Amino acid sequence: QVQLVESGGGVVQPGRSLRLSCEASGFIFSSYAMHWVRQAPGKGLEWLALITSVGGGVYYADSVKGRFTISRDNSKNLVYLQMDSLRTEDTSVYYCARSAAGSRTSDGFDVWGQGTVVTVSS
Amino acid sequence: DIQMTQSPSSLSASVGDRVTVTCRASQTIDNDLNWYQQKPGKAPKLLIYAVSILQRWVPSRFSGSGSGTDFTLTISSLQPEDFATYYCQQSNSAPLTFGGGTRVEIK
Repeated sequence: QVQLVESGGGVVQPGRSLRLSCEASGFIFSSYAMHWVRQAPGKGLEWLALITSVGGGVYYADSVKGRFTISRDNSKNLVYLQMDSLRTEDTSVYYCARSAAGSRTSDGFDVWGQGTVVTVSS
Repeated sequence: DIQMTQSPSSLSASVGDRVTVTCRASQTIDNDLNWYQQKPGKAPKLLIYAVSILQRWVPSRFSGSGSGTDFTLTISSLQPEDFATYYCQQSNSAPLTFGGGTRVEIK
């Protein structure tokens, strides 16, 4: 079945780095743009980053621009989020999600992973 | 960046009530407006995309409307399984921003 599974979360000290992974299955991964979205404890959803289907275009929220990097490996059906210079306010559940409209981003995110928890604390 | 403003932030309603949630964009977003439902401890689920198109799993008591900058999610007759938090999101231009959410609680 169509599925996204995130991994790589954990507890990390401020200023350190962490890399999240999201493995896709059940669909033609290379045909879809992919996203990362996070949710801080008790808060709403925050879109973080987008990578186009073939990886040629990336976009970021201002809150993570310059610190986070999204990438993908279509041969392995993986999308990554490299998070550097982590701050306590980055503590959240991190979700990867698939663009419903394939290579376009117009129709929202129709498949989500279960989320991975990142805690930034000293 | 496009800001999305949802209201109310929470509401209390009874089973069978008609519920309306509004979402306003800071600039026109054509029909690139989506709605999500999220239950506690779960990932969000896409409910409605392109303003008014229901995902296959969504019952017909849900509907979406609007254009330009003002949009509405309506639940015609609230059911117990509808108690959740609802988010709007614009997918017109990056960053693809979400509204702050509306928590629908049991009265």
